[in-house]
Amino acid sequence: DGGITQSPKYLFRKEGQNVTLSCEQNLNHDAMYWYRQDPGQGLRLIYYSQIVNDFQKGDIAEGYSVSREKKESFPLTVTSAQKNPTAFYLCASRQEGRNQPQHFGDGTRLSIL
Amino acid sequence: QQPVQSPQAVILREGEDAVINCSSSKALYSVHWYRQKHGEAPVFLMILLKGGEQKGHEKISASFNEKKQQSSLYLTASQLSYSGTYFCGTERADSWGKLQFGAGTQVVVTP
Repeated sequence: DGGITQSPKYLFRKEGQNVTLSCEQNLNHDAMYWYRQDPGQGLRLIYYSQIVNDFQKGDIAEGYSVSREKKESFPLTVTSAQKNPTAFYLCASRQEGRNQPQHFGDGTRLSIL
Repeated sequence: QQPVQSPQAVILREGEDAVINCSSSKALYSVHWYRQKHGEAPVFLMILLKGGEQKGHEKISASFNEKKQQSSLYLTASQLSYSGTYFCGTERADSWGKLQFGAGTQVVVTP
């Protein structure tokens, strides 16, 4: 079945460590997104990419980095510069066209050790 | 700038109706509505486009007022399965591809 796969489901980070969250989609979607969700709060946009080898900062990009070397993959690195990384991270993808919905992965829950 | 949702929370008895509002200070091209159950990914409900008509999904429908840059989600004859957090996502007319979400409205439907 087509879908979006995020891994791992749970991730723990030590102080000063970079960690990478994986997001893979086999929907052949052009655009991919990363959101951060804090308890009881909405989804805040970190980065998004509409085409391979190109991406734009969202509203809270500081302390994060991404790459888009392949259409199906959009990994997110949470760097040591992100001082409060504990959150639920959601990846989404969307087919080209402004009338298309986003489809979400099941998320990765990141915690600090 | 993220859209503003209201109310923050609503408690309903089965069969009652509710309205959730989503507004933006910028001109919008589209409004997306999603529902999220605790610990799960958001699930798409519907999209409303600029110049489009009111949409529906089961007994959940929505409208988009372009003059006010406001969308409303209507939960009609609510069912227990309607419980969850509802988010609106907006795409501005001048910002293609960038979807921003409101803080969400928690809906609890009780028997």
